[in-house]
Amino acid sequence: GAGVSQSPSNKVTEKGKDVELRCDPISGHTALYWYRQSLGQGLEFLIYFQGNSAPDKSGLPSDRFSAERTGGSVSTLTIQRTQQEDSAVYLCASSLGLGNNEQFFGPGTRLTVL
Amino acid sequence: GESVGLHLPTLSVQEGDNSIINCAYSNSASDYFIWYKQESGKGPQFIIDIRSNMDKRQGQRVTVLLNKTVKHLSLQIAATQPGDSAVYFCAENEQDDYKLSFGAGTTVTVRA
Repeated sequence: GAGVSQSPSNKVTEKGKDVELRCDPISGHTALYWYRQSLGQGLEFLIYFQGNSAPDKSGLPSDRFSAERTGGSVSTLTIQRTQQEDSAVYLCASSLGLGNNEQFFGPGTRLTVL
Repeated sequence: GESVGLHLPTLSVQEGDNSIINCAYSNSASDYFIWYKQESGKGPQFIIDIRSNMDKRQGQRVTVLLNKTVKHLSLQIAATQPGDSAVYFCAENEQDDYKLSFGAGTTVTVRA
């Protein structure tokens, strides 16, 4: 498909477990973003990748959160030792480049921590 | 960035009427503004954007108005249709920044 894809669409895990969320951006998009959306809330910026530059991790809420982007394409967001407050929809977006380019969002991964 | 927020959390509108969704922002350095539409179970979908050097921009059935003096942004939807029912978010960023700051969203419900 031509859009941003994310997997899994839903993830239920137990408190204390690690989870990995995957994002496939639109082909040719050099910028990739992760956001978190809690129930009934707006989106909260987590991390940003642009090309081969060092990522901006300033939005990550704790050191339990990390993300990688391999080969400038696919990205994985990892949450270690999950907590119930980590339950949210995790959205990935990509854009052509820096700054004000339109960000195209994937459908998100709904994470539930029991 | 500073907070971006919406005046009303919900809006109910009769099919065929015009809708107006409002957004207030506080960051005077905001340079770029976007409206997104999010349907249930889906990611946000781009509707229309506007830069700070403009005060109005029109798309298909949608118009965005920007008032920098009072830091206010609005989205107008003409002839609202049932398919317009969704949550609408405003978002902004500063020049040369890439992080979008989102408001909490307004839920629009279209009555038949």
